[in-house]
Amino acid sequence: EDQVTQSPEALRLQEGESSSLNCSYTVSGLRGLFWYRQDPGKGPEFLFTLYSAGEEKEKERLKATLTKKESFLHITAPKPEDSATYLCAVQAEGRYGNKLVFGAGTILRVKS
Amino acid sequence: DSGVTQTPKHLITATGQRVTLRCSPRSGDLSVYWYQQSLDQGLQFLIQYYNGEERAKGNILERFSAQQFPDLHSELNLSSLELGDSALYFCASSVSGTSGNEQFFGPGTRLTVL
Repeated sequence: EDQVTQSPEALRLQEGESSSLNCSYTVSGLRGLFWYRQDPGKGPEFLFTLYSAGEEKEKERLKATLTKKESFLHITAPKPEDSATYLCAVQAEGRYGNKLVFGAGTILRVKS
Repeated sequence: DSGVTQTPKHLITATGQRVTLRCSPRSGDLSVYWYQQSLDQGLQFLIQYYNGEERAKGNILERFSAQQFPDLHSELNLSSLELGDSALYFCASSVSGTSGNEQFFGPGTRLTVL
């Protein structure tokens, strides 16, 4: 069964203090790994898609990387507005459909 | 704004009742997905439609059903509601039904069953 584990569950950073979030996955035939940001009571906001090991993508202060077993979301010099829950999801090879299997998320708080 | 719309934003109802949640996908997207998010279960896939046809099912209860109409909007019907059905329900859409496509989520419907 496809599984996604995110760590840490929660992370508190000072403004400007860089860090990384981890997403470990077990899936048969990865078709894509997705990162989303979710603010309280809102829908997940798409950030990145990674397809193969070694791939990297960047957007402002965020950089996502992928290996064969895990993905990292690096946050460089975070600001308070980066505070949110970050969700990782995988899409696996399958005969029908392309559901996303989500991890539980990492709650990030950035203090000024 | 993802371009996916959902109505209503909030729904408060009683146990045993039936409700309908509505979703309009982004312009041009053919696939619609429904997810449930509760505090203890996280985001769970319920069902996927592609161009009007059911494509995949997750752990969707028999009391729940969905459909996608010719104009591509979708409805999720929840019946015989129980307290445990209280959750955020999200709709997402993607361009096609193939793997690797990003899914864009709507703002959600918060369902409270009293």
